[in-house]
Amino acid sequence: DIQMTQSPSSLSASVGDRVTITCRASQGIRNDLNWFQQKPGKPPKRLIFGASNLQGGVPSRFSGSGSGTEFTLTISSLQPEDFATYYCLQHNNYPQTFGGGTKVEIK
Amino acid sequence: QVQLVQSGSELKKPGASVKVSCKASGYTFTSYAMNWVRQAPGQGLEWMGWINTNTGNPTYAQGFTGRFVFSLDTSVGTAYLQIDSLKAEDTAVYYCARSEGNTALRGVLWWGQGTLVTVSS
Repeated sequence: DIQMTQSPSSLSASVGDRVTITCRASQGIRNDLNWFQQKPGKPPKRLIFGASNLQGGVPSRFSGSGSGTEFTLTISSLQPEDFATYYCLQHNNYPQTFGGGTKVEIK
Repeated sequence: QVQLVQSGSELKKPGASVKVSCKASGYTFTSYAMNWVRQAPGQGLEWMGWINTNTGNPTYAQGFTGRFVFSLDTSVGTAYLQIDSLKAEDTAVYYCARSEGNTALRGVLWWGQGTLVTVSS
C-alpha cells in the first residue's frame, strides 16, 4: 500500500498568514493527488486535482504543487473561512489512501 | 447538478446489521465508480473500497473484508453499504463518494452528506 505522510498534523496561524501543508508518498504517484478541505459535520470538499489544478469555484489563494512523491498545498493568505482540516488523497494505486490530515486553527 | 443523497443516521446494537443507501442523481449512474469512505469520531478519512457501477463488482480495502458489502440497484441509481455483525468500533460517519471515471483511480469530486452509524448497547 502507498502511505501518505501528511505534515504538520496541526498548525496555528493568523488571518493573512501564508500556510503550507505537505504530503509525502511512500512511492511515486505521478500527479494522481487530490487535496480536500473538511469542516466539522460536513463532507470533504475538493480544492485541488491532478496535484496542481484548482477546482472550479475554489479561491485562487489555494494552490497545489508537486509530482512523484512530494506535494504541497499552499494557502497564500489565510482567511477566516479557511480554518478547517485538510487532507490529501492519492488515487494512483489501490488502495487509495488519504493523508492523516492537517487541522488549521486560529492563533 | 450531481447529487449524492445518503440515508439518515442509524443507532444499532452490537451484532446487528445496517444498510446505508446513497442515491445518485444528475448524471448517468453506471458511468462512474462509487467509493465508500469511513470517518471515525474525531479521526481522519479512510478509504473502504469501491464498486464498479457498470458490472457491480466490488473491491474492498484491507480491513473491510468479510462484514462489509457494497451493492447497487441501478434501476434507481442507488449504491448501498451493508455492515454485518456490527461492533462498537464501527461507529463512524460513512460517506459515498463518486469517482471521476469508471474506475476508482480517477480522483473524487462529489460526496454524499454522510451517514452516522452509532453502535451501542
